[in-house]
Amino acid sequence: KAGVTQTPRYLIKTRGQQVTLSCSPISGHRSVSWYQQTPGQGLQFLFEYFSETQRNKGNFPGRFSGRQFSNSRSEMNVSTLELGDSALYLCASSLGGSRLETQYFGPGTRLLVL
Amino acid sequence: QQQVKQSPQSLIVQKGGISIINCAYENTAFDYFPWYQQFPGKGPALLIAIRPDVSEKKEGRFTISFNKSAKQFSLHIMDSQPGDSATYFCAASGSSGSARQLTFGSGTQLTVLP
Repeated sequence: KAGVTQTPRYLIKTRGQQVTLSCSPISGHRSVSWYQQTPGQGLQFLFEYFSETQRNKGNFPGRFSGRQFSNSRSEMNVSTLELGDSALYLCASSLGGSRLETQYFGPGTRLLVL
Repeated sequence: QQQVKQSPQSLIVQKGGISIINCAYENTAFDYFPWYQQFPGKGPALLIAIRPDVSEKKEGRFTISFNKSAKQFSLHIMDSQPGDSATYFCAASGSSGSARQLTFGSGTQLTVLP
């Protein structure tokens, strides 16, 4: 089975712009979670989607949003980019039936905001 | 309340030695404690996980020890190998329905010398 794929892998944007990141989960997985990884704050939960509905949300400003499509693919959008948004954005997928299931992470999208 | 504290920040071990990484949590609602391993350029990968109804879980050279009363858990890597050199994250999640939200520790960079 193919793993979690994320596109693009690298992205450079300037302050004020917006960006959309994409995540394709493992086939059959219906839950997709997003995390932000930075050297200073570590890995922080952004949100989780299941069956096209946001099921849980972390403590991030409204500039961070996401959505999930009927095929379980998910996108994450960050509007009005700030320098502090530079990070590795990771998505993780799981079957979605149990909170205790393994989450499988993709390789991430590295975003640099100049 | 949601924090997971991890130590040490970095660890250098000789090949064949034992690597020990410790984590502590405050939220008594946490009931699932996975450990993730991350190599440079890759997303985190689940290594081993434990629930608080057991005090120890072993998988190959990796062992989790769990102390519910102290709200602490640790990862032991026996016979450490250079290929184990990676960043290790402890994590926790709590009972909030079926939602998934992992709270991660700050990470430990392990270097195993040949």
